[in-house]
Amino acid sequence: AQKITQTQPGMFVQEKEAVTLDCTYDTSDPSYGLFWYKQPSSGEMIFLIYQGSYDQQNATEGRYSLNFQKARKSANLVISASQLGDSAMYFCAMREGPNFGNEKLTFGTGTRLTIIP
Amino acid sequence: NAGVTQTPKFQVLKTGQSMTLQCAQDMNHEYMSWYRQDPGMGLRLIHYSVGAGITDQGEVPNGYNVSRSTTEDFPLRLLSAAPSQTSVYFCASSFSPSTRNSYNEQFFGPGTRLTVL
Repeated sequence: AQKITQTQPGMFVQEKEAVTLDCTYDTSDPSYGLFWYKQPSSGEMIFLIYQGSYDQQNATEGRYSLNFQKARKSANLVISASQLGDSAMYFCAMREGPNFGNEKLTFGTGTRLTIIP
Repeated sequence: NAGVTQTPKFQVLKTGQSMTLQCAQDMNHEYMSWYRQDPGMGLRLIHYSVGAGITDQGEVPNGYNVSRSTTEDFPLRLLSAAPSQTSVYFCASSFSPSTRNSYNEQFFGPGTRLTVL
């Protein structure tokens, strides 16, 4: 079974609108972390946001927020007020186990987001 | 800080040739890893290291060797290149004991695009 599933291969969104990128995960470990990375056309991987399995509140970083629904095993990325520079590939990733000592990440297949002016 | 650096940026090999992809980080990170990115498959872990002298296999280790003689460097060796190894290779690092945070994200290098003919 896929550990990280991103069901939207591509999305087109009008500039200034909010966008939600879906991510569901599968793990039996009670301790895990979920990451979102952005990969623009230039190819580098940029860390956006993190959610720990024991975090009580949804993570936020500027225009990025994470809609974490633990019972449904989903960790959707929400981008508010989208900008042209948000056009990129977005990857959801998971680390199973505690924060330190196990740094292996499992990635989803990604969602290509295109912002339309 | 230069962060995570990778050389070369591009490489073309013939089937059967060997080569080493270089990776270095100057953040005193203990953990380093190699991923490959193929279209439609996200990033997959090849090998990782939790410290100098310690390496282990990831999801797709066949055809690759690694060693970690220093904290800073983590080279990836292709023993006998095959067309199936055509991919973009990313090196990543994380976890410095002096700057540990609650989520310990991985920092990625710019990638090496490898083509095997």
